[in-house]
Amino acid sequence: AQTVTQSQPEMSVQEAETVTLSCTYDTSESDYYLFWYKQPPSRQMILVIRQEAYKQQNATENRFSVNFQKAAKSFSLKISDSQLGDAAMYFCAYRSDDYGGSQGNLIFGKGTKLSVKP
Amino acid sequence: DAGVTQSPTHLIKTRGQQVTLRCSPISGHKSVSWYQQVLGQGPQFIFQYYEKEERGRGNFPDRFSARQFPNYSSELNVNALLLGDSALYLCASSLTFNPGQGPEAFFGQGTRLTVV
Repeated sequence: AQTVTQSQPEMSVQEAETVTLSCTYDTSESDYYLFWYKQPPSRQMILVIRQEAYKQQNATENRFSVNFQKAAKSFSLKISDSQLGDAAMYFCAYRSDDYGGSQGNLIFGKGTKLSVKP
Repeated sequence: DAGVTQSPTHLIKTRGQQVTLRCSPISGHKSVSWYQQVLGQGPQFIFQYYEKEERGRGNFPDRFSARQFPNYSSELNVNALLLGDSALYLCASSLTFNPGQGPEAFFGQGTRLTVV
């Protein structure tokens, strides 16, 4: 079974600075997708960024980028120029590319609470 | 375009009662999944439906059931509520069941269920 681990329960960053959130996962599959979701106090899960395992190039979305290390099974999120609105829970999630079984679901880590100091 | 909508937003029930939660996916999305998020934890998968058929089920008791309608909306039912069922219930919609055609899941704002 696949697992996702986020080892940082809480992180803090100064406004305009850069912060990196860590995520490791365990799987025996070769094809899969990885995601970072943001959950502000409003509760809605917002997709931040996605990475396909077959792509070597790290995904980037504006101020958000990932460092995907497939061999190490590591998937960290870097937030540059942090803004007050970035404060939220961040969840790392895994999805299998095998839809033949019951693999259509997301497997989430426990989350990292990010605080942004003005 | 409307996103994923869930109703109600908040609900308080008594132990032993039954509850029904509702979800409307993004227009054009045919797959709906349900997740339970206990306070301080990541969401846990409950069910996935595609084209009105159950395509996946997480490790939840038979008290939990769901269904998907021809318009792709979905209901989650929980019978004989326990205190431990208190959680945020999230609905997510995806384009299809095949992740190769769109692996992203888009979430609603959730239903906060409190069992007293």
